[in-house]
Amino acid sequence: DVKVTQSSRYLVKRTGEKVFLECVQDMDHENMFWYRQDPGLGLRLIYFSYDVKMKEKGDIPEGYSVSREKKERFSLILESASTNQTSMYLCASSSPGVVYTEAFFGQGTRLTVV
Amino acid sequence: KNEVEQSPQNLTAQEGEFITINCSYSVGISALHWLQQHPGGGIVSLFMLSSGKKKHGRLIATINIQEKHSSLHITASHPRDSAVYICAVRRYNTDKLIFGTGTRLQVFP
Repeated sequence: DVKVTQSSRYLVKRTGEKVFLECVQDMDHENMFWYRQDPGLGLRLIYFSYDVKMKEKGDIPEGYSVSREKKERFSLILESASTNQTSMYLCASSSPGVVYTEAFFGQGTRLTVV
Repeated sequence: KNEVEQSPQNLTAQEGEFITINCSYSVGISALHWLQQHPGGGIVSLFMLSSGKKKHGRLIATINIQEKHSSLHITASHPRDSAVYICAVRRYNTDKLIFGTGTRLQVFP
């Protein structure tokens, strides 16, 4: 059974804290994605990684950074958490290009910044 | 205007009813996904389509590439089908997805 696993289901952090959200996939996928999901806005892409150490900004990268040191792990970092980053965060992975497969999603992390 | 539009935004049904959710898009695509999200957040891929029709159990997905439109049908709906259904498209020459805002379905016994 293929899996994308996010490290936490729920997190509560204080304004100004540095926050790490971790995602691990076991399908040897090259592509990994971080999205945030807000009511009425759908899923919006924060960052995309198409290989180890390779990354590309998505639609809303401000206030976030990412790290991909190993193929199976993609981390989202909130350098200084703010209340407007309270949201549901979803990680996904897929194979690229001509062998493109379904996207597989993690279970989500609901982050509250107080 | 969003590049992926879904309708309706909310849908209620009685158990056993036939349900249709629609998705229209305005960009050239190489694939369209239908996803299901239950309360609690996790997203499951139901279908990936590039043409025609696919069926899995009580779920049927169709796509018309010329009209840039897809539908998700649920036959003999059941309360366990209650979830948010999300349409997402993959643009040509990219691996990124563009998402609709979702359709919230509630099926009552």
